[in-house]
Amino acid sequence: ETGVTQSPTHLIKTRGQQVTLRCSSQSGHNTVSWYQQALGQGPQFIFQYYREEENGRGNFPPRFSGLQFPNYSSELNVNALELDDSALYLCASSYSPAGGNEQFFGPGTRLTVL
Amino acid sequence: QQQVKQSPQSLIVQKGGISIINCAYENTAFDYFPWYQQFPGKGPALLIAIRPDVSEKKEGRFTISFNKSAKQFSLHIMDSQPGDSATYFCAASMTNTGTASKLTFGTGTRLQVTL
Repeated sequence: ETGVTQSPTHLIKTRGQQVTLRCSSQSGHNTVSWYQQALGQGPQFIFQYYREEENGRGNFPPRFSGLQFPNYSSELNVNALELDDSALYLCASSYSPAGGNEQFFGPGTRLTVL
Repeated sequence: QQQVKQSPQSLIVQKGGISIINCAYENTAFDYFPWYQQFPGKGPALLIAIRPDVSEKKEGRFTISFNKSAKQFSLHIMDSQPGDSATYFCAASMTNTGTASKLTFGTGTRLQVTL
């Protein structure tokens, strides 16, 4: 069984640029959630994708967008990068969007915005 | 608005001791309370979880105590080992929603177990 994988591992961008982060869900999982983890903080929910559609969103602006593909993998896109976007971006997959189901996290992508 | 408050921020425990981390929540609609363990360079991994219909859950050396009336829950790590040194996050979510069941995390506790 393959776990959740994310790419790239690290990324450096400058303010105003755009970035795409990728996530492959664990085998058998159809739901992907994205979280932002600032240094020294707990992860914050960005949004969730289920059946290739956004299925709930946290308190993040529209410049944070995503996609889910038929194989359940997902992308997180961030436009017009700001310095505060520097964080660890975590992807988590689960076998259902319903609550109480374990979310399996990937190792994250460390984004640095200069 | 921080809906899950976690303390302490950091904790140093001697090998064999008991590590205790506390969390308090505000939203009474939360009904699923997991604890995650995160090692440097890794994503969080589920350690143990509890629902509010029980006051305690034990899995090996890890125990969650839950106080519904006080809206508090805590993680106890018995016989703490150096390999337990990591950052621990409490979290909460609602299971009966029409949309995404998001996890709301605490700010984390960095545990160091010394020899």
